[in-house]
Amino acid sequence: QVTLRESGPALVKPTQTLTLTCTFSGFSLTTSGMCVSWIRQPPGKALEWLARIDWDDDKYYSTSLKTRLTISKDTSKNQVVLTMTDIDPVDTATYFCARSNFFENSGRVGRFDPWGQGTLVTVSS
Amino acid sequence: QSVLTQPPSASGTPGQRVTISCSGSSSNIGSNTVNWYQQLPGTAPKLLIYSDNQRPSGVPDRFSGSKSGTSASLAISGLQSEDEADYFCAVWDNSLTGTVFGGGTQLTVL
Repeated sequence: QVTLRESGPALVKPTQTLTLTCTFSGFSLTTSGMCVSWIRQPPGKALEWLARIDWDDDKYYSTSLKTRLTISKDTSKNQVVLTMTDIDPVDTATYFCARSNFFENSGRVGRFDPWGQGTLVTVSS
Repeated sequence: QSVLTQPPSASGTPGQRVTISCSGSSSNIGSNTVNWYQQLPGTAPKLLIYSDNQRPSGVPDRFSGSKSGTSASLAISGLQSEDEADYFCAVWDNSLTGTVFGGGTQLTVL
C-alpha cells in the first residue's frame, strides 16, 4: 500500500523560509519511473502544482515560483523535501505531496495517485 | 487565473447526468492526456479519471471522461448525493514544462 504524509510548521512568519517534508512508504524513489510532486491549495481556491522530483534526480518547477523553490530527496529515509524562500501571506495554503509515474506519459505527468492528506501552512506575523 | 478553464459551478438533481468542461490549448490538452480529480470537502484530491478516459480501480462507471482537440469533459451519470464535491482537471503543459490544473468546479446535488 502506497502512502504519503506531509509534515512541516503550521505557522510561518513572512520573509522566512518554509521547509516541508513528504515521508512516503510502499514505493522507492530509487525505482525507475517513480516521481513525487508538491501541490498546494489556498483555502477555498484551486490546486497549484509546485515542483516534482524524479527517481533519476531530474527536477521540475512551477515557472512562476521556481526562483523560490528547491526540491530534494533522501532515498534512505523515503523523504522528499520542499523549501520555499521569502514566504508571504499569499502562500497560506494546504500543501500536498503526491506520487506519479514518469513512464505513464513519457514524463509529461498529470496523473497523481495517491496523495497525502495535506498540511496547512499559515503565513502570518 | 488558471491555465485550464473550468466552470466554477455545476449542479444537478439525483439521477441526472452532469458534464464538466475543461478548456486548454495546444500546449497542454492538445498534446497530452487529461486527468480528473474529485475532492470531497475537507479531504485530499482523489484520482477519478486518467489518460483522458480511464477509470482507476474502484471508481464507478458512472464517471467518464472524453477529450476533443483542446477541450476535455467529465461526465457523471446517475448523479448521487455523495458526488457533491469539487472537480479539477490536470494535464502537463509542454510550454510551461510543468503540470497545470483547472480552476475547479464545485458540483452541487440539488
